[in-house]
Amino acid sequence: EPEVTQTPSHQVTQMGQEVILRCVPISNHLYFYWYRQILGQKVEFLVSFYNNEISEKSEIFDDQFSVERPDGSNFTLKIRSTKLEDSAMYFCASRARGTHYEQYFGPGTRLTVT
Amino acid sequence: KNEVEQSPQNLTAQEGEFITINCSYSVGISALHWLQQHPGGGIVSLFMLSSGKKKHGRLIATINIQEKHSSLHITASHPRDSAVYICAVSPITQGGSEKLVFGKGTKLTVNP
Repeated sequence: EPEVTQTPSHQVTQMGQEVILRCVPISNHLYFYWYRQILGQKVEFLVSFYNNEISEKSEIFDDQFSVERPDGSNFTLKIRSTKLEDSAMYFCASRARGTHYEQYFGPGTRLTVT
Repeated sequence: KNEVEQSPQNLTAQEGEFITINCSYSVGISALHWLQQHPGGGIVSLFMLSSGKKKHGRLIATINIQEKHSSLHITASHPRDSAVYICAVSPITQGGSEKLVFGKGTKLTVNP
């Protein structure tokens, strides 16, 4: 069964460093999402991406964040200058075109900022 | 105010019990999702509903659009059902990205 993959599974970085989280969505999916979950809290929407552009973003997704689909298969989330409060589990998700299709989640990347 | 409220927050049951988890939401939605999150963190989609009722094995999900309420039922619960169950909605928005807005989850523990 096709699945969404994410790398790395765990990333430790120092405050102020740039990190890139990588996702490979399911191959025929057209909508892509990043969510994050701070430990002990609910999952929060960061950004959605369709047709090579951001379709919606949350207040969390400020200028420190960017997304890219560099090669037609990978979907990346970059955090330019990490802060302690960026420590969280980051989930990538994808879904097929059209409405009322479920989202498929990757296993997540645990980001720890020290 | 949270757009998605779940109850209870925590639920402990004995194996074999019938379990109900409730979800209320306050916005217009295109769909409601029930998801399962295991201790390792992975999220799996269980159901997506826009009306009525769906059943997969021992799991049943219902939604009442007028009441803005959904329930997830587990029949004949088993210790392997122990997980966090999350209700999430796709709010109706212009542009229609169908992002998900999540509830805080219900932690279910089923004891043998």
